[in-house]
Amino acid sequence: LAKTTQPISMDSYEGQEVNITCSHNNIATNDYITWYQQFPSQGPRFIIQGYKTKVTNEVASLFIPADRKSSTLSLPRVSLSDTAVYYCLVGDNAGNMLTFGGGTRLMVKP
Amino acid sequence: GAVVSQHPSRVICKSGTSVKIECRSLDFQATTMFWYRQFPKQSLMLMATSNEGSKATYEQGVEKDKFLINHASLTLSTLTVTSAHPEDSSFYICSALTERTQYFGPGTRLTVL
Repeated sequence: LAKTTQPISMDSYEGQEVNITCSHNNIATNDYITWYQQFPSQGPRFIIQGYKTKVTNEVASLFIPADRKSSTLSLPRVSLSDTAVYYCLVGDNAGNMLTFGGGTRLMVKP
Repeated sequence: GAVVSQHPSRVICKSGTSVKIECRSLDFQATTMFWYRQFPKQSLMLMATSNEGSKATYEQGVEKDKFLINHASLTLSTLTVTSAHPEDSSFYICSALTERTQYFGPGTRLTVL
């Protein structure tokens, strides 16, 4: 199972772009990379998913280099409400994506 | 789309009683569901994988006789904490797998007195 490593915490200010990187050195060929956001006492919320190169949706972008051993979640112009824990999860469509890393605690300041 | 619900959202029980938590995929069918527990300030820890129509697969260290999982339909999985004790107090979260993405329920806060 792919193990993920993320920074424990990050600070930012409102309006800034935030980039959170996740390392997954032993990612397998069939694995996808998914990012989640979690607020206290809530279940994780899906943000974005990708396999390679770049994916963008209405809330974030996901950058994946050619070797796929890492990925970067980019949040444009963060607001106070983006203060949360962000997790990257690596796995395949058979459900083998079971190990959550420690997550990154993002604090957005005014 | 891809909504997962859990019931109850919060439960308080006495030590020694059993508690059942339901996880439902509301707008899709899920052959596979997962059960996690999360302690304060910690990451999610996978407890078991629930597959419709078959026995659940438990992670190492998780007692299958204590945490009973039933996945009787493609939209419902249940977790029963049997003979609950204070150390079982935690935040329990389920997820349902569709294609290659897990969607999570809102979680259930269990407090055992």
